[in-house]
Amino acid sequence: AQSVTQPDIHITVSEGASLELRCNYSYGATPYLFWYVQSPGQGLQLLLKYFSGDTLVQGIKGFEAEFKRSQSSFNLRKPSVHWSDAAEYFCARIISNFGNEKLTFGTGTRLTIIP
Amino acid sequence: EPEVTQTPSHQVTQMGQEVILRCVPISNHLYFYWYRQILGQKVEFLVSFYNNEISEKSEIFDDQFSVERPDGSNFTLKIRSTKLEDSAMYFCASTSVLDGANVLTFGAGSRLTVL
Repeated sequence: AQSVTQPDIHITVSEGASLELRCNYSYGATPYLFWYVQSPGQGLQLLLKYFSGDTLVQGIKGFEAEFKRSQSSFNLRKPSVHWSDAAEYFCARIISNFGNEKLTFGTGTRLTIIP
Repeated sequence: EPEVTQTPSHQVTQMGQEVILRCVPISNHLYFYWYRQILGQKVEFLVSFYNNEISEKSEIFDDQFSVERPDGSNFTLKIRSTKLEDSAMYFCASTSVLDGANVLTFGAGSRLTVL
């Protein structure tokens, strides 16, 4: 089955440090890939998405992600994290069925920011 | 920016009671979804809905669950006889292929606690 793997359950970084959250997807044609963020008590907010074209995609809040087909990866990066970035981050892929889009989520990575 | 609205934000119920979770999708969206997230676990697909009928449902979505679009704006999830294991955050989402698609907009979620 097509799936998404986030190897890191919990990551702690210092404020101002760079960040990379890992995401790997299982084999499948035309992966549509996403990163969502869930702040405490909040819903899921879309950070960025990749459908095709340029493999480096820019998102909101200064985040970017790079699609690497050779590594089946779609890692999320930010050059300098802020305390407000503390949240749960979910990588997801869609199995597109022409409008019936079913997202498959990874297990999430909890990001903690320390001063 | 248009948003998906969910009510209630938190509901506490006794085991065996019926619960209805309500969602108001974005007005021009045509595809509607329910997902759930048990505490500490990944977000899981429950059901998708289009043209007044279920498009796809997961194994989780058994006979105790039903969805309905009773009018032009609301999209509801009903759990007929709640079980302890139904305690979770339930997310509604909607999308429109015509909007460039494959991107689900999620609501803030309804937290259900079954005692």
